[in-house]
Amino acid sequence: GEDVEQSLFLSVREGDSSVINCTYTDSSSTYLYWYKQEPGAGLQLLTYIFSNMDMKQDQRLTVLLNKKDKHLSLRIADTQTGDSAIYFCAESLNDYKLSFGAGTTVTVRA
Amino acid sequence: DARVTQTPRHKVTEMGQEVTMRCQPILGHNTVFWYRQTMMQGLELLAYFRNRAPLDDSGMPKDRFSAEMPDATLATLKIQPSEPRDSAVYFCASGLRVGVEEAFFGQGTRLTVV
Repeated sequence: GEDVEQSLFLSVREGDSSVINCTYTDSSSTYLYWYKQEPGAGLQLLTYIFSNMDMKQDQRLTVLLNKKDKHLSLRIADTQTGDSAIYFCAESLNDYKLSFGAGTTVTVRA
Repeated sequence: DARVTQTPRHKVTEMGQEVTMRCQPILGHNTVFWYRQTMMQGLELLAYFRNRAPLDDSGMPKDRFSAEMPDATLATLKIQPSEPRDSAVYFCASGLRVGVEEAFFGQGTRLTVV
């Protein structure tokens, strides 16, 4: 995903908050997504935000969207060991193609 | 429990051999994607289909890769001849109104070309 960029690694202590950042390039993207990939598995949709929203909260997850800067972030509150995974940011393009970032590997340490 | 099914889960083959990966999308989904995941390149879109018609296969090396949907229940990705650099995990995903609703991913085929 050259159009979607995100940092590759994040290490966080159990119980702390994790923040994963992403920048995208297509200002016409309608939806922006966060997918989670656990070891040996496919990607699974974690949450998404519509482009006319600034924020979306879903239990421990908070998505923030800055459309002006084309910046998306995912905050995980009270990070648990089960949150260790690769997190992908994705944007939907005009023809409903999904463009993914390279993924951020989140490691939760005790 | 609807899910995208990919076969085989693992494949080890020798360089030069033909490899065929199969995907059964979720019944009723009209959009099917093929992605390749490697450590170096991350997740790359190889091809995608809507209503069985290929819409974009620009991410696919044309000389050796081909993707088809012979019917609505089967998508195939073929590599001939395979090369060591093709070693990767290949994911199929399907969806309905993708871009509005989510894409559902299969568990992937881990391909090793030796």
